[in-house]
Amino acid sequence: QKEVEQDPGPLSVPEGAIVSLNCTYSNSAFQYFMWYRQYSRKGPELLMYTYSSGNKEDGRFTAQVDKSSKYISLFIRDSQPSDSATYLCAMTLGGSNYKLTFGKGTLLTVNP
Amino acid sequence: AAGVIQSPRHLIKEKRETATLKCYPIPRHDTVYWYQQGPGQDPQFLISFYEKMQSDKGSIPDRFSAQQFSDYHSELNMSSLELGDSALYFCASSLTGNTIYFGEGSWLTVV
Repeated sequence: QKEVEQDPGPLSVPEGAIVSLNCTYSNSAFQYFMWYRQYSRKGPELLMYTYSSGNKEDGRFTAQVDKSSKYISLFIRDSQPSDSATYLCAMTLGGSNYKLTFGKGTLLTVNP
Repeated sequence: AAGVIQSPRHLIKEKRETATLKCYPIPRHDTVYWYQQGPGQDPQFLISFYEKMQSDKGSIPDRFSAQQFSDYHSELNMSSLELGDSALYFCASSLTGNTIYFGEGSWLTVV
């Protein structure tokens, strides 16, 4: 079992929909949580970074962390065709260890 | 804002050849990471450097080596290339591991 499990999708939604992307993890030592967006054959782009349980909002994106349940989510409001990409959750232990452990990624398609 | 710069963006090598990838981190970032991403896979951590010293090692084959130079750029050297080494190789950088930013990647094809 991978340390980080991510709903594989693929996910297809109409433009304007609210999208929910989720990851669970098994290692309670993970302290820092990130969401990356990756377009085909491009580098992962950092979208959100959080380190505490609760919600963090940035524009149309909201990252949610529940450390007690070892569960993180990314919500995208008013989704746009340009949001079509693979979304990767990632996490690190912190301290002196910032190696990222990724989920498998969810391929999202937003249809106009 | 300056980003992580990787070169070359694409390269094609034959089996058993050697390839070198270069990475220029974001200015003032002190940590460099290398990741390998196979088709349809998530990025896998290879190795990292903090202030020019190796700080962590992941699933990097013995045929691969890396180093970080005095100007903070890093190089990943891959020898005796195999077909299975074909992948997208990412370099990333951070300032004391806070938030990690990736380059656009170098696409290696081994034929």
